[in-house]
Amino acid sequence: GQQVMQIPQYQHVQEGEDFTTYCNSSTTLSNIQWYKQRPGGHPVFLIQLVKSGEVKKQKRLTFQFGEAKKNSSLHITATQTTDVGTYFCAGDNNNDMRFGAGTRLTVKP
Amino acid sequence: NAGVMQNPRHLVRRRGQEARLRCSPMKGHSHVYWYRQLPEEGLKFMVYLQKENIIDESGMPKERFSAEFPKEGPSILRIQQVVRGDSAAYFCASSPTRQGASGEQYFGPGTRLTVT
Repeated sequence: GQQVMQIPQYQHVQEGEDFTTYCNSSTTLSNIQWYKQRPGGHPVFLIQLVKSGEVKKQKRLTFQFGEAKKNSSLHITATQTTDVGTYFCAGDNNNDMRFGAGTRLTVKP
Repeated sequence: NAGVMQNPRHLVRRRGQEARLRCSPMKGHSHVYWYRQLPEEGLKFMVYLQKENIIDESGMPKERFSAEFPKEGPSILRIQQVVRGDSAAYFCASSPTRQGASGEQYFGPGTRLTVT
């Protein structure tokens, strides 16, 4: 079945540094979604990417979908303490959606 | 418009007891998903239901776990004869159409199950 792998598992950065998490699927995806879960909270939808090579930005967050639609990345520029949490990708393969294990981001002020 | 509601938020059960977790999807949503999250781990898909139908239960353990989404009322995730390894956060999510087709899933606050 479909597998979605996410790296790194943990990332600790100094406030102001950049952060990137990567998501790779074993199959070609129809779309990919990104979610953020704050400590003690529940996942909250951030964005969906559909097109090959698509790039979307939300303020300091940049999301990319690979040309082959099998990988994606989330990049945060100049992290802030409010960015702490776990970032999950979720790959959709013909309406079979699976979450990656997440990247847990901690930010030192 | 109320979001996805889950209750109870916290549930403590002794080994061998039954746990019932409830999920009311967002208004107008007929697709419900259950996920399990162990401490410090990711979301593990368990089951996908529509009203009165189980669409995909490939993530559900074969024994002790069951789920339903009746025509009326909330979706229920039932765990019989709980063991310590069942301790986790259980999240429910809903969407207005089949997963992926409409975009996002809306998550509830979760039920934290502790088995003593």
